[in-house]
Amino acid sequence: DQQVKQNSPSLSVQEGRISILNCDYTNSMFDYFLWYKKYPAEGPTFLISISSIKDKNEDGRFTVFLNKSAKHLSLHIVPSQPGDSAVYFCAASEEAGGSEKLVFGKGTKLTVNP
Amino acid sequence: DTGVSQDPRHKITKRGQNVTFRCDPISEHNRLYWYRQTLGQGPEFLTYFQNEAQLEKSRLLSDRFSAERPKGSFSTLEIQRTEQGDSAMYLCASSLRTGKGLPDTEAFFGQGTRLTVV
Repeated sequence: DQQVKQNSPSLSVQEGRISILNCDYTNSMFDYFLWYKKYPAEGPTFLISISSIKDKNEDGRFTVFLNKSAKHLSLHIVPSQPGDSAVYFCAASEEAGGSEKLVFGKGTKLTVNP
Repeated sequence: DTGVSQDPRHKITKRGQNVTFRCDPISEHNRLYWYRQTLGQGPEFLTYFQNEAQLEKSRLLSDRFSAERPKGSFSTLEIQRTEQGDSAMYLCASSLRTGKGLPDTEAFFGQGTRLTVV
């Protein structure tokens, strides 16, 4: 039973355009959501997070939106750059702050074309 | 380098052999996690420690798996009698849980140990 779902295995966008990565979850106990980026042969790297009490968090080119009623979050990257090409994982935690165990989606492979 | 360190980076072993992996977390972090990632999947939680106490184990962690964090610093993950299905990337992560109203940190991951069982 997948509690965190990333239904798009891959996404391709042009450099300079917006990338939108989506994530759905089923567990209403999740209190904190994170996005990690992973390059081949490396561990996941934390990108951005959002608490369930917020609906938006922004950090430079990265913005995460949370819709609790729909149990949906999305990561927007604008403008997209070729260096953003990686696998992006959505993760969720039942504990505020994200220091609890994480439940990950399967990931979305983003390719940004020059 | 003050990040999470894992050793070895790669391990090839024959079925039935025992293997042990080591993880050195970020020094001030009190929580340490082990995850497993197979091809096409996201990381799956195996177990975690707060200081030296193992607080939770996933049902994915069969009796052949054991993890320790004896002094609340580094951790080891041992797999006994390895099977081909154990082939995966084993990821270690650490975080700081303050529990005092101060912000916790997110989990920082190491580069992983890729295990291949032949």
